[in-house]
Formats: sequence, structure tokens, C-alpha cells
Amino acid sequence: KNQVEQSPQSLIILEGKNCTLQCNYTVSPFSNLRWYKQDTGRGPVSLTIMTFSENTKSNGRYTATLDADTKQSSLHITASQLSDSASYICVVVVDMRFGAGTRLTVKP
Amino acid sequence: DAMVIQNPRYQVTQFGKPVTLSCSQTLNHNVMYWYQQKSSQAPKLLFHYYDKDFNNEADTPDNFQSRRPNTSFCFLDIRSPGLGDAAMYLCATSGGPGRTDTQYFGPGTRLTVL
Repeated sequence: KNQVEQSPQSLIILEGKNCTLQCNYTVSPFSNLRWYKQDTGRGPVSLTIMTFSENTKSNGRYTATLDADTKQSSLHITASQLSDSASYICVVVVDMRFGAGTRLTVKP
Repeated sequence: DAMVIQNPRYQVTQFGKPVTLSCSQTLNHNVMYWYQQKSSQAPKLLFHYYDKDFNNEADTPDNFQSRRPNTSFCFLDIRSPGLGDAAMYLCATSGGPGRTDTQYFGPGTRLTVL
């Protein structure tokens, strides 16, 4: 069983809407949890890095939350844009355990 | 601009024919990583270099080797590519191996094995 589970696997939303992506993990203890954005055919780009003691971290329209008690993290995207269409990958850093990613499609 | 460069962006090779993928960086980072990413899957770490120290992941096949002749360059050698080795290969760098060090990824090389 993968120690980092992301949901949903794919998501389609309309431009301008908000969305929330989920990441559940069983890896414990861990050093930090990261969210990456990966455009098709490109390398992943770091969005946020949170240590286990942080509850939330923002980067522009991206806000990540972390609940270490329930071992859940979420990535909230506000006022989505067409350029947000990408895969979003949750990474729990102990020895870099990757989730499978969520593919987000933003339609006009 | 400082960056991570991978060449070529697309590589086609024949079954069993050795192939080398290249990664260079202008960030002067100590650590360089190689990941394999198959379609619709998460990147999988193959190995990394901390300066000249090579660190192999336990489940990386012997078919995959790496060289780092200097700080700027790192190569991924696939000695006898199989059909299952077709994937995107991502190179990344970080200033240190610490767990809060951000990794900077290159654009990747897509390998096709015929």
C-alpha cells in the first residue's frame, strides 16, 4: 500500500472556481511535506514546504494545510486559472515518498 | 539565468543499445538527483550524488549507472535498455541533502525504447 495517497486522481473545474486537493499519508515521523506542480512534459516545481509543526503555508493562490494528528494535507487553489491545469504531487519527506499525483484540468 | 538543463529532451534508442542522458546545472548545487517517471506515475528516485559521494537507492536496477565528473554535470547511463525503461528521466539539484532543501528540477528527457 502506498504510504502517500492523493485524491481525487483527476479533477475538472471551471475557470475562476476554487478547488481542494487531498493528501493522506501514513509515513511517520517525517521531516516535511511538500506540494509540487508538474506541467505536462516538464519537471515538478515546488509550491510549498511545511514542517510537521506548521499548519498552513501559502504561495499566491495556493494554500497548503497540514494536520499532523490525522496525517492529512490539502492544497487549496483559489480563483483557478487555465494555467493551473497540471498534475499536483504531494511529497512526504522522510526518504522522498511521492504520491501518485492529482491531474487538474481547468476549463474555460 | 541559473537553471538545470537536460539533454537531449527526447531520446530514442533500440532495445539493448546503451544510452546516456545528460544533466548540467548552473546553480552550483552540491546534490544532484536522477528520477524515473513513467506515465501517470510519481517520480521514482534512482540515485543521487552529494558532491562526489554516490548514493544508490536499494531497488535501482544494476542496469542504471551514473557519473558525476564535476559539480556541474551528471550523467545517467542505461547499459542495456529494455522496453520497461521507457520513461521520463528527471534530473534535480539541491543546495544540500537536508530535508528542507528545495529541489530544482530540469525539464526531463523522454526516453523511447524500440
